[in-house]
Amino acid sequence: DSGVTQTPKHLITATGQRVTLRCSPRSGDLSVYWYQQSLDQGLQFLIQYYNGEERAKGNILERFSAQQFPDLHSELNLSSLELGDSALYFCASSLGQGSSYEQYFGPGTRLTVT
Amino acid sequence: EDKVVQSPLSLVVHEGDTVTLNCSYEVTNFRSLLWYKQEKKAPTFLFMLTSSGIEKKSGRLSSILDKKELFSILNITATQTGDSAVYLCAVVLIQGAQKLVFGQGTRLTINP
Repeated sequence: DSGVTQTPKHLITATGQRVTLRCSPRSGDLSVYWYQQSLDQGLQFLIQYYNGEERAKGNILERFSAQQFPDLHSELNLSSLELGDSALYFCASSLGQGSSYEQYFGPGTRLTVT
Repeated sequence: EDKVVQSPLSLVVHEGDTVTLNCSYEVTNFRSLLWYKQEKKAPTFLFMLTSSGIEKKSGRLSSILDKKELFSILNITATQTGDSAVYLCAVVLIQGAQKLVFGQGTRLTINP
């Protein structure tokens, strides 16, 4: 158990809908990262927040957005969902924002868009 | 375009064998290289490599980075069935802020 929690574990929704995925980092960690893992694309970095501020952006679609709240939990919002958005979404946390800090992954949220 | 390529994509060996997994990269603004092990669930961190030629070791696993030839290897000796997993390599870039680019992974299967 990494100490990173994600809810929900599974989510099934229809195309065009909007969903919110939630992540609570390990106690004391200030950075939160979001990743998408699909069968054809592998693991893709989406976005990073550090202490409430966006720090890095990867391959995140405009239909997706995220934020980190004052209590350091983070939410990933996915809107106008398409079948191709079906994937496993991971959140990871680390103490700092730099590459020297190890990232700890949560168990993931499996999103199925039908 | 930043690219990380792992090979082989899949490997099946017998328990007790030694395996070498490869990760090559073509990126700008390289900062460090990470190795992860992913079983059924979330990736777990194995190593972070920043400097060339310095081997990192943890039990039967070891890894080294060559920044001149732009690759890293992950070695596992005396493999056990519990080593069966997907091994992911990721490169950390600094482009204003930090960004990670992952390889496709190597699926390692250890048969008893």
